[in-house]
Amino acid sequence: TQLLEQSPQFLSIQEGENLTVYCNSSSVFSSLQWYRQEPGEGPVLLVTVVTGGEVKKLKRLTFQFGDARKDSSLHITAAQPGDTGLYLCAGARGSNYKLTFGKGTLLTVNP
Amino acid sequence: DAGITQSPRHKVTETGTPVTLRCHQTENHRYMYWYRQDPGHGLRLIHYSYGVKDTDKGEVSDGYSVSRSKTEDFLLTLESATSSQTSVYFCAIRQGAPTDTQYFGPGTRLTVL
Repeated sequence: TQLLEQSPQFLSIQEGENLTVYCNSSSVFSSLQWYRQEPGEGPVLLVTVVTGGEVKKLKRLTFQFGDARKDSSLHITAAQPGDTGLYLCAGARGSNYKLTFGKGTLLTVNP
Repeated sequence: DAGITQSPRHKVTETGTPVTLRCHQTENHRYMYWYRQDPGHGLRLIHYSYGVKDTDKGEVSDGYSVSRSKTEDFLLTLESATSSQTSVYFCAIRQGAPTDTQYFGPGTRLTVL
């Protein structure tokens, strides 16, 4: 059972377009992380959201944690080629110190 | 940067040989994790450690063992490598409460022929 469903799996857009990546679950998470991974490297943390309804902004990236803490979204405004990469969401559940990962969204931003 | 290094970064080995991957951290984190990443499967937890000599299994632990004799080092061993263990292996540390955020090392690409 895949506890965290990420969509879309692949996304190819032109520079300047906006996009949203979704991370959904039927389970409640105590926190949720978003990572970005480039080829040949490890995932790099973008943000952690903890509170239901929380919105965090990182330059052109906006992250939202659902009110019920079961889902999250990542919105990128005016995408640039440098945003190209694999975006991963991961949820933590209470005192279980393990993360559940989505399968990732592979984003390609074409110049 | 959470001060995590992995060695080797690349390794090619033959079926049936033992392989040990090393994860080293410099910031005294209690929790350490080993994942493998494969196309179509994402990141899957192999084993994790919650202190020196304290380890537990993850979702894909068959064929793997781990050891942690000191805080800074977490070793992953493939006792007899198989082609199905060809993968990219990542080590991670847990930053701690309240966010449970994990930080990852650069990875080891292992090919088993």
